[in-house]
Amino acid sequence: AQSVTQLGSHVSVSEGALVLLRCNYSSSVPPYLFWYVQYPNQGLQLLLKYTSAATLVKGINGFEAEFKKSETSFHLTKPSAHMSDAAEYFCAVSPMNTGFQKLVFGTGTRLLVSP
Amino acid sequence: DADVTQTPRNRITKTGKRIMLECSQTKGHDRMYWYRQDPGLGLRLIYYSFDVKDINKGEISDGYSVSRQAQAKFSLSLESAIPNQTALYFCATTAGGKGTEAFFGQGTRLTVV
Repeated sequence: AQSVTQLGSHVSVSEGALVLLRCNYSSSVPPYLFWYVQYPNQGLQLLLKYTSAATLVKGINGFEAEFKKSETSFHLTKPSAHMSDAAEYFCAVSPMNTGFQKLVFGTGTRLLVSP
Repeated sequence: DADVTQTPRNRITKTGKRIMLECSQTKGHDRMYWYRQDPGLGLRLIYYSFDVKDINKGEISDGYSVSRQAQAKFSLSLESAIPNQTALYFCATTAGGKGTEAFFGQGTRLTVV
């Protein structure tokens, strides 16, 4: 079975500051890993995904994440926060050894960006 | 037009009532899902469907049922709504294969009073 832990239900940063959202996973087999973003009153949108091709993954809107097997982590970063980044972010995992795309989500981290 | 459309977007219903949430997608994907989102709990899988003839329970299927009317349509029913089913419900779809992206609808906010 796989699971995802997101540390911090809320993260506050100032505009222009580094964004770091933490995600640790537990999986008995190599996983696919995803970050999704949810803007207010909207559905989830894919930011980026890890599928074993490269450990550093670049996504949309300047976000990136690094897969670290030794730490079982897939933290999301952005060098400089923008007001428009305020949203809820979800990390998700799916096992590589199944054809079925069954995502298991973390509990989410709400990013607050202040001027 | 959105790839995944959910109706209604908001609904208030009374305890004991039957309610159906509908989902349609234009991605042409075989796989469809219903998730429930609660504050602090993330998204939890209610039901999923490989194709029209294949429907499976997720981790929290009690109190829910689904119908896959066509490749593009997947509806979720609450036969007798109860207050703890108040939540935000999302429909999603993926293509086959591993590691593919899930496309989500905008959600249905359901309140059971």
